[in-house]
Formats: sequence, structure tokens, C-alpha cells
Amino acid sequence: DQQVKQNSPSLSVQEGRISILNCDYTNSMFDYFLWYKKYPAEGPTFLISISSIKDKNEDGRFTVFLNKSAKHLSLHIVPSQPGDSAVYFCADTVSSNTGKLIFGQGTTLQVKP
Amino acid sequence: KAGVTQTPRYLIKTRGQQVTLSCSPISGHRSVSWYQQTPGQGLQFLFEYFSETQRNKGNFPGRFSGRQFSNSRSEMNVSTLELGDSALYLCASSLALPFTGELFFGEGSRLTVL
Repeated sequence: DQQVKQNSPSLSVQEGRISILNCDYTNSMFDYFLWYKKYPAEGPTFLISISSIKDKNEDGRFTVFLNKSAKHLSLHIVPSQPGDSAVYFCADTVSSNTGKLIFGQGTTLQVKP
Repeated sequence: KAGVTQTPRYLIKTRGQQVTLSCSPISGHRSVSWYQQTPGQGLQFLFEYFSETQRNKGNFPGRFSGRQFSNSRSEMNVSTLELGDSALYLCASSLALPFTGELFFGEGSRLTVL
């Protein structure tokens, strides 16, 4: 059974410091992992993704790392800004032929000024 | 380009009633999927439609159903509502095949069951 778990429900960091959000997965059947960001009263928005043939993908302040042997995914935000305060979901694709994602439970990030 | 539009944004129902939620995807997107978000549970996949056909279904009871129209608009229906159905229902659309994970979500329909 394909599962994605985010074991930390919340994280608080100081503005300017690094935020590290973690995610573990099991039985990945396809090869894309993603991070989505959600503000209250808004739908989730795509943030960054990584293919399983890579171990790192960077986009500005956001970097995603993939450790396939440990089945572990992490998102680094450097430097963190108050506007980054949101709920972050990691997700795993199921196949290339369906728009179905398996999501983690989410981690609420608070960046303090 | 208009985003994914969901209606209604908020609704209150009582146990035993039924509800229909509507979703208009981004123009040109033929895949529409639905997710349920509850506190502590993340986003749970309900179902996905592509070209009016259900392509995938999550682990929800038969009270949850959906459909897609020829213009790609989609509706989901929940019958015989239970208190536990209170949640944010999110619709998402996607364009690209092969699918690489990017979904475009609407703002959701917040359902409260009393």
C-alpha cells in the first residue's frame, strides 16, 4: 500500500534561518515527488517537485532532497520568510496515466519575524 | 487564464441530507480530481475523471460519487451525510500527460454537517 507520512505536525523557525520539512514514503510506484503549500482559505499550490532519477532539485530559496535508500524526502527553505508560514504537504504520484496523488498529513510552518 | 472554480464555497447541511459540489477546471484541462481535507488527515483522494470517465477511485464509501460533463466540468455528490463528512472538499485539474504531479487546485468547498 502506497503511503506518505509527515511525522512533524508543526515547525517554528526564526526569519532568515533554514526551515527543513521532512517526509517518508513507502512503496513508491511512480517516480515524482512533490511539495505543495497551502494558505488558509486557499487551495494548495504546487511548490517544487523531484524525479526519482535525481537526488536534489533547487528552485530559488527552495530545495528538495530525495534519499531513495531511506525512502525519505525533505524540503529546505533558505532563508525562511514570514510569508512562508503555511501548511506544507508532500505528495507522491501513482502513475503517469492518472492525476492521483498520495499526500502526507501536512506540516504547519510558522516563520517568526 | 481563470483558475479552478468551486461552488459553493461554504455550506451547512444536517445529517441524512445530500449535497452536490461543483467544479470548473482550467480551460483545456481534461482531468479533474477531488480530494477531502480533514484536520490531521491531509488530503485524501476521492476520485478522478478524464473525458467523462472515472479513471481512479479512492477508499471512500459509495455515498460519495461524482461525474464529469463533456465540457470537463465536474460535480461530486455525497448522500446520507454523516457528521464525519464535515471537511474541505478540493477539486483539482491537470493538463499534462504523462502526469508529473502538478495539480491546480480550487479554493475548496467547506462542508459542515450538523
